[in-house]
Amino acid sequence: AQKVTQAQTEISVVEKEDVTLDCVYETRDTTYYLFWYKQPPSGELVFLIRRNSFDEQNEISGRYSWNFQKSTSSFNFTITASQVVDSAVYFCALSEAVSRANSKLTFGKGITLSVRP
Amino acid sequence: DTAVSQTPKYLVTQMGNDKSIKCEQNLGHDTMYWYKQDSKKFLKIMFSYNNKELIINETVPNRFSPKSPDKAHLNLHINSLELGDSAVYFCASSQQTGGNQPQHFGDGTRLSIL
Repeated sequence: AQKVTQAQTEISVVEKEDVTLDCVYETRDTTYYLFWYKQPPSGELVFLIRRNSFDEQNEISGRYSWNFQKSTSSFNFTITASQVVDSAVYFCALSEAVSRANSKLTFGKGITLSVRP
Repeated sequence: DTAVSQTPKYLVTQMGNDKSIKCEQNLGHDTMYWYKQDSKKFLKIMFSYNNKELIINETVPNRFSPKSPDKAHLNLHINSLELGDSAVYFCASSQQTGGNQPQHFGDGTRLSIL
């Protein structure tokens, strides 16, 4: 069965610090997708990134970067030069059996990031 | 324009009542979902529909009944509300079924049972 572990529950940093949010997953499939979502204090869920299991290239989008390592089953998320607006709960999620209609997202428990001015 | 919209945003009601939450998406997506987020922020899928057809029913009590009148709408009706139903309910949509599809979420409906 698929499983996502976000071992860090709460992280607090000072503005402009870099911070890495860890995500470790378990799956028996060779084809799967990984996602990160952001939930700011206002409560909505915002899609950040999707990565498939065959693409281990790291991705950078502005201050955000993602490091996918199949060898360690990890998909970590780094925020560079954090800002107060980055304060949110961040969820890592996994889907397997991706070709099936009933494929579903399994979420980790989320990491609460607080960025202090 | 809001892509996935849910109403109401807040719902406060008594135990035993019946209530509905509505969801509409204007993204032209074929697949819609309902998720429950508990007080510890844990997100779990409840249902998915593809073009009005039920695809996923994730061991949810049958007091919960989703209804999809067309592929742009997925409503959730809850009978005989219990204290444990208090949570935030999120509607989401994706272009198609399949695990490669990013899901786009509504703002959530916070349900509080008194």
